[in-house]
Amino acid sequence: NAGVMQNPRHLVRRRGQEARLRCSPMKGHSHVYWYRQLPEEGLKFMVYLQKENIIDESGMPKERFSAEFPKEGPSILRIQQVVRGDSAAYFCASSSLGTNTGELFFGEGSRLTVL
Amino acid sequence: GIQVEQSPPDLILQEGANSTLRCNFSDSVNNLQWFHQNPWGQLINLFYIPSGTKQNGRLSATTVATERYSLLYISSSQTTDSGVYFCAVRYEGAQKLVFGQGTRLTINP
Repeated sequence: NAGVMQNPRHLVRRRGQEARLRCSPMKGHSHVYWYRQLPEEGLKFMVYLQKENIIDESGMPKERFSAEFPKEGPSILRIQQVVRGDSAAYFCASSSLGTNTGELFFGEGSRLTVL
Repeated sequence: GIQVEQSPPDLILQEGANSTLRCNFSDSVNNLQWFHQNPWGQLINLFYIPSGTKQNGRLSATTVATERYSLLYISSSQTTDSGVYFCAVRYEGAQKLVFGQGTRLTINP
């Protein structure tokens, strides 16, 4: 049973370019979470999605960042016009249950470097 | 919002030693998880333990929800135990897991 799959594992972008990070949840999981980890820091919540719905985006920056989880295909975290401060590891997690229950399982992360 | 405090921030031990890592939280929770982030950055699930005690090999964890803390015990440490240990909680009514700042554990041979 495959775990949470993230790609790409490493991504290098120049300032002003777009970054797209993909996440396929574990089989049978319909809840996806995105977290960001800056160097030497803990993980910070960004957004929680279910299929075709954004449930909680309280941790998402107001500009340049967007997320989706379409009916078919992986969840996408999109960062437009990247800046050096966007350099971080972006982790996706999935669970089979949402509110109040459900163990989260994390992918191996996508490491974004902005030159 | 809920605060999650982990202690100690750093811990350096010799191989074979035992250790206790602590996680304090500030409100009622219905989910608490311990993770190990290895030196390659991978997050490994250790325990899902909103209450009670669990054991898995050399690792065990106890959460006392009424007193708002959890403890992770590592016995007979090995160099492969090195990394950062995170506690993460979800308080009742919320959607997200909130992470502590982690305990960086270094096991020297």
